[in-house]
Amino acid sequence: NAGVTQTPKFQVLKTGQSMTLQCAQDMNHEYMSWYRQDPGMGLRLIHYSVGAGITDQGEVPNGYNVSRSTTEDFPLRLLSAAPSQTSVYFCASSYRAGGPNTGELFFGEGSRLTVL
Amino acid sequence: AQSVTQLDSHVSVSEGTPVLLRCNYSSSYSPSLFWYVQHPNKGLQLLLKYTSAATLVKGINGFEAEFKKSETSFHLTKPSAHMSDAAEYFCVVSDLDFGNEKLTFGTGTRLTIIP
Repeated sequence: NAGVTQTPKFQVLKTGQSMTLQCAQDMNHEYMSWYRQDPGMGLRLIHYSVGAGITDQGEVPNGYNVSRSTTEDFPLRLLSAAPSQTSVYFCASSYRAGGPNTGELFFGEGSRLTVL
Repeated sequence: AQSVTQLDSHVSVSEGTPVLLRCNYSSSYSPSLFWYVQHPNKGLQLLLKYTSAATLVKGINGFEAEFKKSETSFHLTKPSAHMSDAAEYFCVVSDLDFGNEKLTFGTGTRLTIIP
């Protein structure tokens, strides 16, 4: 049982480059989300999706795009990387937003991104 | 607006002694509360959750937390620390925001176990 799979685990970019962080889950979860983790700041929500074809912005969406064409996949795109986007990125999913498993997120192992 | 405060950024205890990680929250409604654990270079894993049932919640690996509404606290405890408990712990509060779940994470407490 793979759970939530993120790729790549590590990436180094130059300022201005673009890239996509991949996230896939095999649990048929409706809700998927992207967080960034920075020292001393906990996790901050970037974008989320409550189902295929539906996405919305979180707390820190600027500089990132997402799409949800299937239930399983939720890629995060960095359009023009900046040093401020150096962070560890986590994809997380749950059965259903607002449902009986509210808040019970399943996390990937993270993608560590460095922007030079 | 909801918020969560983890009162200690770093806690060190000796192996075999009790663990106490403190969390206070602020919420306009009746929140759900969670503790997550993150081992080095891993994703977060749910440790336990409170969702308006019993105020004393038991989780995995011998951890438990008590919801105290009068004190707006949800402290995490364990009677006897084990070396494998060394990790970062996050307190999380959950509210519904226009029908969508909104999670707010604390800034984390790093637990070090002294052999």
